[in-house]
Amino acid sequence: KAGVTQTPRYLIKTRGQQVTLSCSPISGHRSVSWYQQTPGQGLQFLFEYFSETQRNKGNFPGRFSGRQFSNSRSEMNVSTLELGDSALYLCASSLETGNNEQFFGPGTRLTVL
Amino acid sequence: AQKVTQAQTEISVVEKEDVTLDCVYETRDTTYYLFWYKQPPSGELVFLIRRNSFDEQNEISGRYSWNFQKSTSSFNFTITASQVVDSAVYFCARPNTGNQFYFGTGTSLTVIP
Repeated sequence: KAGVTQTPRYLIKTRGQQVTLSCSPISGHRSVSWYQQTPGQGLQFLFEYFSETQRNKGNFPGRFSGRQFSNSRSEMNVSTLELGDSALYLCASSLETGNNEQFFGPGTRLTVL
Repeated sequence: AQKVTQAQTEISVVEKEDVTLDCVYETRDTTYYLFWYKQPPSGELVFLIRRNSFDEQNEISGRYSWNFQKSTSSFNFTITASQVVDSAVYFCARPNTGNQFYFGTGTSLTVIP
């Protein structure tokens, strides 16, 4: 079974731009979660989507948004990029929502200049 | 927030030594799950184990073992006869709502040949 894939793997943007990251979960998995990882803040939960509905949202500004499609693929969007948005963005998929082991993708490394 | 604390930031051991990574958690729930993940230099988080609060039995998987003690709110992870390939950052985590995970700050383990 193919693992979680994320595209692109690396991205360089400038302040004020917007960016869209993509995540394809493991086949059959309906839950997709997004995390931001930075050296200062560690791993922080952004949001979770399950069956195309946002189930949970972390403490991030409205510039961070996401969606999930009927095939469970998910995208996250960050508008008006700031320097502090530079991070590794990790996507995780699981069969169901709630206490399930999550399988992570390789991440997208976003650098904001 | 119900936190997960990993007090050890960095640990270095010589190959074949045993090493224990500590994890202390906070929770108001009577039923809960705990997880350990490994993040090698490649960046992708790898699921290691999930335990639920009903089962305090220690678990052993090869060179890995986990000690879960509700009385001290700890879920420690021991690697026996460490190997260079064990070098990674290890995260302890617990879910909040749905698949919203709280991760500890991680322990960076370096195994010296």
